[in-house]
Amino acid sequence: EAGVTQSPRYAVLQEGQAVSFWCDPISGHDTLYWYQQPRDQGPQLLVYFRDEAVIDNSQLPSDRFSAVRPKGTNSTLKIQSAKQGDTATYLCASSDRFSNERLFFGHGTKLSVL
Amino acid sequence: EQQVQQSPASLVLQEGENAELQCSFSIFTNQVQWFYQRPGGRLVSLLYNPSGTKQSGRLTSTTVIKERRSSLHISSSQITDSGTYLCATRSNMGYKLTFGTGTSLLVDP
Repeated sequence: EAGVTQSPRYAVLQEGQAVSFWCDPISGHDTLYWYQQPRDQGPQLLVYFRDEAVIDNSQLPSDRFSAVRPKGTNSTLKIQSAKQGDTATYLCASSDRFSNERLFFGHGTKLSVL
Repeated sequence: EQQVQQSPASLVLQEGENAELQCSFSIFTNQVQWFYQRPGGRLVSLLYNPSGTKQSGRLTSTTVIKERRSSLHISSSQITDSGTYLCATRSNMGYKLTFGTGTSLLVDP
């Protein structure tokens, strides 16, 4: 079974630049999560979807971050104007509500904002 | 808001020794999951243990819901066990998985 796929693996930006992260979840998984993991910290939820609907985006900095999952499959997380504080690894995970909601993670995108 | 605490923050063992990692959470949960992460690697689910004791190879997790805690026991540690172990819980009312800050394990030869 293919795992969760993310791209790119790495991104280096200057402050103020925009960047998009892409995630392809495990086929059939209805729930998709985006987490932010600063260095030496645990992952922190940004947003999650059930199919194409946003269930919780309360931790997403809405002035600069946006996330979509238009067909309930792939998802894109975008940062409009990156700040140094956004430096972190961005993780995508998926789960299936009928399988105890165990999460499966992608490799992540490591973002450095200079 | 669910809070997850893990201890110890870091641990150094000699190969062959056992490890006991602790996780406590502020809100009752029906889902506790342990993850492993090698530096630069993906988060890998080790054990899903909502209650009681679950074993997978050299790993044993014990969750006591009424005491809001879970533990992960690693027996006969190996160098390849080195990495970060993360505990995550989900509150009974929602889907959000909240992670602790992890235990960094180093197994020396």
